[in-house]
Amino acid sequence: SQTIHQWPATLVQPVGSPLSLECTVEGTSNPNLYWYRQAAGRGLQLLFYSVGIGQISSEVPQNLSASRPQDRQFILSSKKLLLSDSGFYLCAWSGGLYQETQYFGPGTRLLVL
Amino acid sequence: AQSVTQLDSQVPVFEEAPVELRCNYSSSVSVYLFWYVQYPNQGLQLLLKYLSGSTLVKGINGFEAEFNKSQTSFHLRKPSVHISDTAEYFCAVRGRQLTFGSGTQLTVLP
Repeated sequence: SQTIHQWPATLVQPVGSPLSLECTVEGTSNPNLYWYRQAAGRGLQLLFYSVGIGQISSEVPQNLSASRPQDRQFILSSKKLLLSDSGFYLCAWSGGLYQETQYFGPGTRLLVL
Repeated sequence: AQSVTQLDSQVPVFEEAPVELRCNYSSSVSVYLFWYVQYPNQGLQLLLKYLSGSTLVKGINGFEAEFNKSQTSFHLRKPSVHISDTAEYFCAVRGRQLTFGSGTQLTVLP
């Protein structure tokens, strides 16, 4: 069966520091991968998605970037964090671009101080 | 473009009572509809989905939802809730991408 991991689970970082969040998927090949952010009391906002190694699409302009160095690895990064980057970051996968169902990881809670 | 509206941000209900969480959507293309549940500090878990076929969809934990195309709704129901159902529930529609509603916090009271 498929499993999706995210780490770290929780992170407290100062403003201006760099960020690297990692997501890996097991038990599937060539997944579509997604990064979402969930701000307090709000729904989920799609940040990036990837259909393959090195292929990244950005949904909203922002302070963050994403990379996919391996088939089942998706990384969310920032060179300099802002206070507004605080939130709950969720990684998800689906079986392909037009596969309907996305499955989510446990999330990373980021607090920027 | 597509959008999802969850009409109630908070729904308190007593244990063993029925509950309905409302969801309306708009989309210019054929839709796939989902309900996810999120327990505190956890990721989202898929409750159920409508892709095609029967408009009444049954999911995990005794939940079900009915797709109503004419009313563009996909309301979630459970006939008898438990304390453990306390969580946030998200409705989502899949068109080009997955679009989420703002969530409904279900609180089950003893």
